[in-house]
Amino acid sequence: DAKTTQPTSMDCAEGRAANLPCNHSTISGNEYVYWYRQIHSQGPQYIIHGLKNNETNEMASLIITEDRKSSTLILPHATLRDTAVYYCIVRVAEAAGNKLTFGGGTRVLVKP
Amino acid sequence: KAGVTQTPRYLIKTRGQQVTLSCSPISGHRSVSWYQQTPGQGLQFLFEYFSETQRNKGNFPGRFSGRQFSNSRSEMNVSTLELGDSALYLCASSPSSGTGGGEQFFGPGTRLTVL
Repeated sequence: DAKTTQPTSMDCAEGRAANLPCNHSTISGNEYVYWYRQIHSQGPQYIIHGLKNNETNEMASLIITEDRKSSTLILPHATLRDTAVYYCIVRVAEAAGNKLTFGGGTRVLVKP
Repeated sequence: KAGVTQTPRYLIKTRGQQVTLSCSPISGHRSVSWYQQTPGQGLQFLFEYFSETQRNKGNFPGRFSGRQFSNSRSEMNVSTLELGDSALYLCASSPSSGTGGGEQFFGPGTRLTVL
């Protein structure tokens, strides 16, 4: 699976959009981008995933660049409960199994 | 639908002992994966079981083992505990394994402390 690079930490203001970048310059054509988050002392929570088109669900939007070398997770209206570590993961679409390779993630602090 | 449950939530053991952790996946899910989380190494994949068979194994010593039962419940066992085994052990379930298995549902974890 391709390696990802994320900023170590970032702050954002409550009520504003939070834009979380992820670099995956070595991504292959058959690899998806997944985003998970982990709120303190809880298990990771799946947020969204995509291949090449932008995706949106009730939690967030995922914007993938045309060359697929980077992506941005957007939390449209950040709340204090969005304070968490966010992980960007690249995973082969037809992987032999469910292994997820987590990096260091981005520690997001939403401030009032 | 009930989420992934893990028991016990907290455990204290001493070096040299062994421990068994349990995970009950979401009803209908056949894949169970285990992860270890420590401050130093982050989240690391231990192994995955699907339909009672181990599908993948991470880079951990043989002291770490697991199994899955016919009802998809899974247990992991750590023998001859070391101080470095102190960690949060997370279980994740998914309906399938491989294609489509990227969306996984994690339990709250078992926090193991080895003294």
